[in-house]
Amino acid sequence: ETGVTQSPTHLIKTRGQQVTLRCSSQSGHNTVSWYQQALGQGPQFIFQYYREEENGRGNFPPRFSGLQFPNYSSELNVNALELDDSALYLCASSLMGLPNQPQHFGDGTRLSIL
Amino acid sequence: AQSVAQPEDQVNVAEGNPLTVKCTYSVSGNPYLFWYVQYPNRGLQFLLKYITGDNLVKGSYGFEAEFNKSQTSFHLKKPSALVSDSALYFCAVRDNNNDMRFGAGTRLTVKP
Repeated sequence: ETGVTQSPTHLIKTRGQQVTLRCSSQSGHNTVSWYQQALGQGPQFIFQYYREEENGRGNFPPRFSGLQFPNYSSELNVNALELDDSALYLCASSLMGLPNQPQHFGDGTRLSIL
Repeated sequence: AQSVAQPEDQVNVAEGNPLTVKCTYSVSGNPYLFWYVQYPNRGLQFLLKYITGDNLVKGSYGFEAEFNKSQTSFHLKKPSALVSDSALYFCAVRDNNNDMRFGAGTRLTVKP
């Protein structure tokens, strides 16, 4: 069973730039959720993708966008980066329709904005 | 919308002593409750879940959690703490919409 993998592990950008983070879901999972975890805080839900469409969104502006591909992998795109976007970005995969099953997390991408 | 509260930022215990990490939740409908652990520079690792049935749930690494519907709580427990249990612990709740909400986390420190 292949777990959730994220790339890159670390990234440094400057304000105003754009970034793309990638996630491969665990084998057999069809749903990907993205979270932002600022230093010292819990993960905050950004959005979820299922069947290549956004299927729920947290309180994040439109400059946070995503994609899901036919193989269930996913991308998180952030435009016009701000200093407050510095955080650990976590991807989690799961099976839609089974809320009693845990989400499985990758190790995250550490994004630093200078 | 569902939410979770972890009232303690930090919990300190001595090795060998029992530990409790507290969590209260709010959700409409039946709650699906989870505990995760996070080690430095790592993602979240699943520990245990409550779905329905027995109020005492057993999970990985000797951890267990007690579900209390009247108090809307789901406290994490372990009878005898290890130094290696030192980490960040997150409680999470999910409703039928499938998205998960996390608490702010509790840093557990187990001292030798």
